[in-house]
Order: sequence, then structure tokens, then C-alpha cells
Amino acid sequence: NAGVTQTPKFRVLKTGQSMTLLCAQDMNHEYMYWYRQDPGMGLRLIHYSVGEGTTAKGEVPDGYNVSRLKKQNFLLGLESAAPSQTSVYFCASSYGQGYYEQFFGPGTRLTVL
Amino acid sequence: GENVEQHPSTLSVQEGDSAVIKCTYSDSASNYFPWYKQELGKRPQLIIDIRSNVGEKKDQRIAVTLNKTAKHFSLHITETQPEDSAVYFCAASKPTSYGKLTFGQGTILTVHP
Repeated sequence: NAGVTQTPKFRVLKTGQSMTLLCAQDMNHEYMYWYRQDPGMGLRLIHYSVGEGTTAKGEVPDGYNVSRLKKQNFLLGLESAAPSQTSVYFCASSYGQGYYEQFFGPGTRLTVL
Repeated sequence: GENVEQHPSTLSVQEGDSAVIKCTYSDSASNYFPWYKQELGKRPQLIIDIRSNVGEKKDQRIAVTLNKTAKHFSLHITETQPEDSAVYFCAASKPTSYGKLTFGQGTILTVHP
């Protein structure tokens, strides 16, 4: 099992450009999450999904959109990137239904110039 | 919403000493408290977790204690080793939140040989 994977690993964008980060899991997990990690601020939840076709806002959703068209994939989109979105992005998944342990992907380091 | 405070932000110990990291949470409905370890450039990985129906849990050199009345929980690492050096995050989750985690700000632990 590959677990949770993320693509790309690194990306540099210019202000105003758009991009999509892909998260995939092969554990048949129901719940998936997108976090951003900034120095001194821990991990903050951007959006999450509790099943195929569902999405919901987390703590810091502004400037991001998500989609969960297939159970195994969770996409994070930046429509018009801003320097404030420079961060490391982690995807995570969990079995759901009372099983809380989250498994994290390797992260995507995004720089917006 | 839930708020998790973590202290200290940095902790330096000598190999063989014990290390203690403390977290407080604000929402009394929270019932799941995981601890994650993140090595430099790597993904967060769960090292131990505790649910609110248990006061203490131990796994070899690491232990977590929970005081529901005071709304705080702590990570204890005994006989520290240089490979324990990493950033440690506490988190909290409540039953109605679809497994969403609210993280503390992180503690940089350095174990000196």
C-alpha cells in the first residue's frame, strides 16, 4: 500500500496563477483533509470531506476550493495564488465513523512569488 | 471553536533525561487527543493518542496523561535519545466534528548527545 500520496512535491507560482494539488489514498478511507503548515502556527485545516461528493470548510478556507469526485482522491485548488498562500500543504485521511487516527501524506511545498 | 495551546515552544534536554510537553484545550466536548511527531522535512506521524475515558496511556518510553477537569494533557518521553529530536504536535477532536483535529503550535524538542 502506498498510503497517502501527494503531487506535486514542490511548486513555485507567480501571484495570480492557479494550480491544483492532488491527494490520493489507497486505504479506502472515508474522511480526507487538507491542512496548511506555517512556522509557529501548527497545522490548520483548510477543507475536509466526509465522503465521495462531499466537501466542507475548515478553519482557513478562503482562497481555496476542493473537490472529491472519487473516494480515493481529494483535490485542492488555488484559483488565484497570493504570496500569503506560500506554505507546506499536507493531505490526511482517516477511516471515519469513530476511527480518528489521521494518516498524512508527504506534503507539498508551495511558494508564491 | 476549539483552541489548543501548547507549551513550551522549544525544549532542549540531555540524552537520557525526561521531556514533558503540555497542552490545554478549550472545548470540554473534545474526547480524542493525539500526539504527532514530525521530523525535519517529513510528514507528521502519530506516536500516541488517548481518549477521554482514559487518564493515562503508555507505550514504551512515551506516555500521555489527561486531566479532563483542568482540560489539559501532557506528553512524557523518558530516557530521551537523539532520534527523539523533532517537532511534536498535540491535537484535540470532538465526536461531532468528523475527526477534525485542532492542533497546538508545536514544540521543537532537541536531545543533545
